[in-house]
Amino acid sequence: AQSVTQLGSHVSVSEGALVLLRCNYSSSVPPYLFWYVQYPNQGLQLLLKYTSAATLVKGINGFEAEFKKSETSFHLTKPSAHMSDAAEYFCAVNRLSNQFYFGTGTSLTVIP
Amino acid sequence: EAQVTQNPRYLITVTGKKLTVTCSQNMNHEYMSWYRQDPGLGLRQIYYSMNVEVTDKGDVPEGYKVSRKEKRNFPLILESPSPNQTSLYFCASSLLAAGSTDTQYFGPGTRLTVL
Repeated sequence: AQSVTQLGSHVSVSEGALVLLRCNYSSSVPPYLFWYVQYPNQGLQLLLKYTSAATLVKGINGFEAEFKKSETSFHLTKPSAHMSDAAEYFCAVNRLSNQFYFGTGTSLTVIP
Repeated sequence: EAQVTQNPRYLITVTGKKLTVTCSQNMNHEYMSWYRQDPGLGLRQIYYSMNVEVTDKGDVPEGYKVSRKEKRNFPLILESPSPNQTSLYFCASSLLAAGSTDTQYFGPGTRLTVL
């Protein structure tokens, strides 16, 4: 069963515009949630993670995400896109087990 | 430098020829994992290891084997590769076992083509 759903496999924004990448999880138990970024020809690196300490999580490079239990969502946002943000973004969940489940990814294009 | 290394980075092989992809981490991490990345499917977990001599299946273990004889190494073995195992493979490690909020550190990836 799919544990994480990322809506939109491709997102394009203009430089300076808001970035919004969507992630919904399916779990009756609030999980641990993560956003990873993959730059071309590289491995993944962590942007931010939700650990149940605070619903608004700030990450690196100006990204943040808000955990909304009522909507089972963990959308990633950045107020102003930079060209360097062009990459693939993955939402991932760990449901208090030893396994991780990743979404199918969203490719972000930033238009100059 | 703290890192996860994988070798080889690129490999083209033929159906049925056994191969091993090595993974090594220098951070004394307990948890290690293998993923495959396919277009439209994201990353799927193949196997993971909680510690030395402790391994378990992920979502897509068929056709793969792993071993964890040393803490730093976690090789992925394809005994008889098939074309449907053509993929981009990532090794990852984290300090403690999953179930915590530990960050996973990923290797650079191994692009495998099975003809």
